[in-house]
Amino acid sequence: QSVLTQPPSVSAAPGQKVTISCSGSSSNIGNNYVSWYQQLPGTAPKLLIYDNNKRPSGIPDRFSGSKSGTSATLGITGLQTGDEADYYCGTWDSSLSAHVVFGGGTKLTVL
Amino acid sequence: QVQLQESGPGLVKPSQTLSLTCTVSGGSISSGSYYWSWIRQPAGKGLEWIGRIYTSGSTNYNPSLKSRVTISVDTSKNQFSLKLSSVTAADTAVYYCARAVRWDTADMDVWGKGTTVTVSS
Repeated sequence: QSVLTQPPSVSAAPGQKVTISCSGSSSNIGNNYVSWYQQLPGTAPKLLIYDNNKRPSGIPDRFSGSKSGTSATLGITGLQTGDEADYYCGTWDSSLSAHVVFGGGTKLTVL
Repeated sequence: QVQLQESGPGLVKPSQTLSLTCTVSGGSISSGSYYWSWIRQPAGKGLEWIGRIYTSGSTNYNPSLKSRVTISVDTSKNQFSLKLSSVTAADTAVYYCARAVRWDTADMDVWGKGTTVTVSS
């Protein structure tokens, strides 16, 4: 059972837009930055978004992030078949035993 | 650019201690303010953060694993290590090492390719 809640799967057609939600609480998303990762099959996760909405160098602007209250959203526009992957949200949980927490992951299928 | 590489036994017996090392290349583990992290992923499941260490030696662990985890750093070898004691089949996973940029965030910008560890007799 993951601390952050994500939908198990989402799907959309090539060229379309998709959003992936990530829900938490005041001890994690509500008071800390959210990161998003893309994990292509058989590879290590790759940082897509940090500080809720910033993109590391080399990440196309088709990927965007936002946060409101205790929820965050990853948006992907102009979907490509190469975007088919698992996506994870992560954040700091500043409860008594502060640590990093992840969502359970969302499988994106590009139909 | 900095690269990370995990190494260690691929098979560990139940009740024994899992030991993995992450070698940092392309830069010094002591340079900059980074937090060297371990994350694992059971087959077909999500990511689980294990813990991290700063080059000063200060550590931070997942509370669910804290009693069994030790992360250490060897700056002379440009490596950091993970020890997980009293392993069971539930510890079977791909183990990743990664570099975290700040203390109180989840952004890890460099990852190793991962190493598979199976716990079985």
